[in-house]
Amino acid sequence: DIQMTQSPSSLSASVGDRVTITCRASQSISSYLNWYQQKPGKAPKLLIYAASSLQSGVPSRFSGSGSGTDFTLTISSLQPEDFATYYCQQSYSTFTFGPGTKVDIK
Amino acid sequence: QVQLVESGGGLVKPGGSLRLSCAASGFTFSDYYMSWIRQAPGKGLEWVSYISSSGSTIYYADSVKGRFTISRDNAKNSLYLQMNSLRAEDTAVYYCARDVGYCSGGSCYNWFDPWGQGTLVTVSS
Repeated sequence: DIQMTQSPSSLSASVGDRVTITCRASQSISSYLNWYQQKPGKAPKLLIYAASSLQSGVPSRFSGSGSGTDFTLTISSLQPEDFATYYCQQSYSTFTFGPGTKVDIK
Repeated sequence: QVQLVESGGGLVKPGGSLRLSCAASGFTFSDYYMSWIRQAPGKGLEWVSYISSSGSTIYYADSVKGRFTISRDNAKNSLYLQMNSLRAEDTAVYYCARDVGYCSGGSCYNWFDPWGQGTLVTVSS
């Protein structure tokens, strides 16, 4: 089974900050990597698919990069509505999610 | 608009059974693979099972294999999860999600979008 890790597990940031979250796979998964945002009490929402493609309707301040085993989600200028938990997910071999990264207010 | 609505959650004793349903609308249900994904209270996301558009291909996570059964009724635009031999560790919000994908250059990528609002399953005596 493919294991996913994320770092950091949580971070505190201010509005306007550039935020970077890292996701690592236990084996190469090419670009089979997606990112989701989840707010408390809500279902996850797709942000990025296939490692770097921005889902329609998602603000352009979100971007994804990477391939193989190492991936990054970047928020270029953090907005109040971006405080949430972010999950990566691989679709190379069935599906596995990372443990999540909680972004809260500094 | 595309919508998924889960139902059927509730409180059940260990060893008991429960059947979850997911009603789909706003898209051609029979064209899409579908998945169940769960989230234990305060924890992360765990994929549970998926089913192909025709129902001919099914996969389960090891944690539920032999106890859970996924199915679908394309005529009713509905997805189901029959859960038997429930354990305390099955306590979670269960989401259904549409499996969306595309193929390019010999590679086929897929992701979950959208997700339903979730239904809570609590396994406790």
